[in-house]
Amino acid sequence: GAGVSQSPRYKVAKRGQDVALRCDPISGHVSLFWYQQALGQGPEFLTYFQNEAQLDKSGLPSDRFFAERPEGSVSTLKIQRTQQEDSAVYLCASSRGGNTEAFFGQGTRLTVV
Amino acid sequence: KQEVTQIPAALSVPEGENLVLNCSFTDSAIYNLQWFRQDPGKGLTSLLLIQSSQREQTSGRLNASLDKSSGRSTLYIAASQPGDSATYLCAVRFQAGTALIFGKGTTLSVSS
Repeated sequence: GAGVSQSPRYKVAKRGQDVALRCDPISGHVSLFWYQQALGQGPEFLTYFQNEAQLDKSGLPSDRFFAERPEGSVSTLKIQRTQQEDSAVYLCASSRGGNTEAFFGQGTRLTVV
Repeated sequence: KQEVTQIPAALSVPEGENLVLNCSFTDSAIYNLQWFRQDPGKGLTSLLLIQSSQREQTSGRLNASLDKSSGRSTLYIAASQPGDSATYLCAVRFQAGTALIFGKGTTLSVSS
């Protein structure tokens, strides 16, 4: 596709439910990043992939958060046993290389009730 | 700790005014810096990427400058229009192979 695609755009989860958020990067982009954005704040880094390798997961807030990119293309961010503080917009970005211009998707707005 | 700060948090100007948005960062040895625009409920749109070896980048009415020694970047918007109303985010890559670190953004409102 022409840009980074994220699905679903909106997700409402009951507290304790598991969720999976999908990111389709721009074709050919090697690097993929996940960010979490709370209302009125800048995006906060979660994790970074280069191809299928997860190079940095230092931003994941707890072991309930897990990300994968098994074939070096589509990535999934999984949150287990969701809690209200997980409510945020989850943004995915991709870039041709690790240090080149990053392009973001529209984000997934997660609301935990 | 590596941090990015954007001041002011909000700015209101009348249409046609030239304006400057500020971004400051800790650690002058950055790799590159990227400016984004975010409309309400939307993702981020890349505006300009400026490498550490560059002093400025221009795209249309936008000009981004970088002064590493003072730890600052500015985004200059010429002849502002109501369509420029959005939140502008500054993001810094402090080292090669690391992720962008974002400021909290400046929300710009341009009135007609």
